[in-house]
Amino acid sequence: GAVVSQHPSRVICKSGTSVKIECRSLDFQATTMFWYRQFPKQSLMLMATSNEGSKATYEQGVEKDKFLINHASLTLSTLTVTSAHPEDSSFYICSASLGDLFYEQYFGPGTRLTVT
Amino acid sequence: SQQGEEDPQALSIQEGENATMNCSYKTSINNLQWYRKNSGRGLVHLILIRSNEREKHSGRLRVTLDTSKKSSSLLITASRAADTASYFCATDSFANAGGTSYGKLTFGQGTILTVHP
Repeated sequence: GAVVSQHPSRVICKSGTSVKIECRSLDFQATTMFWYRQFPKQSLMLMATSNEGSKATYEQGVEKDKFLINHASLTLSTLTVTSAHPEDSSFYICSASLGDLFYEQYFGPGTRLTVT
Repeated sequence: SQQGEEDPQALSIQEGENATMNCSYKTSINNLQWYRKNSGRGLVHLILIRSNEREKHSGRLRVTLDTSKKSSSLLITASRAADTASYFCATDSFANAGGTSYGKLTFGQGTILTVHP
């Protein structure tokens, strides 16, 4: 149990376009979903925390207008990278949990975004 | 150094040996978690140890936590080739933004463990 999927697993897009990444909890209802980003040879960095039905909470330095997060249901959260630039190329990982305070997180396999 | 920093960065051992990985952190925490990542797969939660606990076991895994030294260790006993993976510690602590409190996981860069058959 506790499976989280992400789609797509890899995406290449041109600079200036927008890309949507989906995160789904397949066998449980996730009250909270988290979005992380990992640059090469660096650790996962939390970008934002989202609770179903409410606005996402963004970490310092993460532009909310650039990284749009929608958590419309208890099993789906989407991250849209708007007007992507090459420096947005990274590995984006979502996780889902039963709550936002000190619950175990279940991670998706990640999405590799390359912006050309 | 970063919150949740692992040591060593890479570890290579023979099957049957024990593997010990260490993690140091800087700020106060609610709990500390260890995760494993196999190539091509997502992070998998291994074990969670709360700030008021000193040691926890789960199968072949043993985790210790020393809050006075802000450090934790993960011991894998009788290692197997299937244990080959990257291991990450993550500290779980309170964060606050816009009046909302939430738990925030902060990851280290991980230890790459290779277990040779």
